[in-house]
Formats: sequence, structure tokens, C-alpha cells
Amino acid sequence: ETGVTQSPTHLIKTRGQQVTLRCSSQSGHNTVSWYQQALGQGPQFIFQYYREEENGRGNFPPRFSGLQFPNYSSELNVNALELDDSALYLCASSRDRAYEQYFGPGTRLTVT
Amino acid sequence: EDQVTQSPEALRLQEGESSSLNCSYTVSGLRGLFWYRQDPGKGPEFLFTLYSAGEEKEKERLKATLTKKESFLHITAPKPEDSATYLCAVQAGDYKLSFGAGTTVTVRA
Repeated sequence: ETGVTQSPTHLIKTRGQQVTLRCSSQSGHNTVSWYQQALGQGPQFIFQYYREEENGRGNFPPRFSGLQFPNYSSELNVNALELDDSALYLCASSRDRAYEQYFGPGTRLTVT
Repeated sequence: EDQVTQSPEALRLQEGESSSLNCSYTVSGLRGLFWYRQDPGKGPEFLFTLYSAGEEKEKERLKATLTKKESFLHITAPKPEDSATYLCAVQAGDYKLSFGAGTTVTVRA
């Protein structure tokens, strides 16, 4: 059984640019959640997608947006990048909203 | 707002020296409390889910317990490979996970 995968592994962008991060959920999972993790901190919830619809959002501005596709894979888009957006972005999938979430390896985003 | 506080921030143990990590939480309508292990630069690895006070789960040298206000992760006779950051998270009615900052455990041989 393939676990959660994310791409790319690392990314360097310039302030003001836009970025798209991708996540493939584990087989049989219909829920994907995205988290931002700064160094030395726990992951912070960005939003969750359940059966292709946004199902909750954390304290992140609208320039953070996402999609979930019919195969339950997902994208996270960030517009107008700021230096503070530099972090590890984690995707997690679960077989439904209330079940344990399994995390991918993350995408390390650096904004210069 | 859901709050999760983990203590201590860091723990240095000698191999074989058992200890406990604490996770205290404030949440309205707990659905579940989750423990994860995270190695540097990697995504968190799922360990346990606890749903109600009094519940206990075990896996190898790890044992997690839950009360109405806190959870403990007990590490029995740790080995160097148990070195990692251990994260606690709560899930409430909105299904999101709220994480603590973690406890970094270092086990010396």
C-alpha cells in the first residue's frame, strides 16, 4: 500500500511569487488536510478537503487556497509569497474526517 | 480555541532510563487525542489514537494514557532509536488537528 506522497521535496521561491504544492493521498482515503510547520513548532492547520470540498480552515489568509481532485489527490496554492511563508508544508490523508491522519514527507519551502 | 501544551520541551535520557511525556489540553468536544513521532526533516508518523478517559494503548516501548485533561506517553527502557520529537494533537468537532509544540527526546547509549 502506497503512503502519502508530496512533491516537490524542496522549493526555493522569491517574495511575491506564487507556488503550487502537490499531495497524493493514501489509497482508500477521501480526506486530505494541509499543515504548515515552522522550525521548532508543531504543525499548524491550514485547511481540510473532504470529498472534493473544503471542510474547515485555520487562521491563514485567502492567498492560501487549495483543491481536491476526484482521485482525492490535492494541491495547495500560495500567492504573493512572503518571507514568513518559509516552512515545511505537510499533507495528511485519512480514510474519513474523524480517523487518524497519515502524513507525507513534506515540502520544504524557502522564500527569499 | 483548542489548546495543547506539551512538557517538557526536551528530554535527555540514558538508554534504559524510563520516563514520561505530558500533553495537557483544552478542547470543546474531544473526538480523539493523537500521538505522533517526528524525525528531523520528515513528516509525523502516527503512533496512537485515544478516544476516552481511562483508555490506554501500547506499542513496543511506548504506552499512551488519557485523562479528561491530559495524556501521558510513557517510554519504557528507551533505546537510541527512540530519539525523536513526539507530538500530541487533539481533534474536536471541526475535525482539524491542533498540535502541541512537541517534546524532543534524546536517548544516549
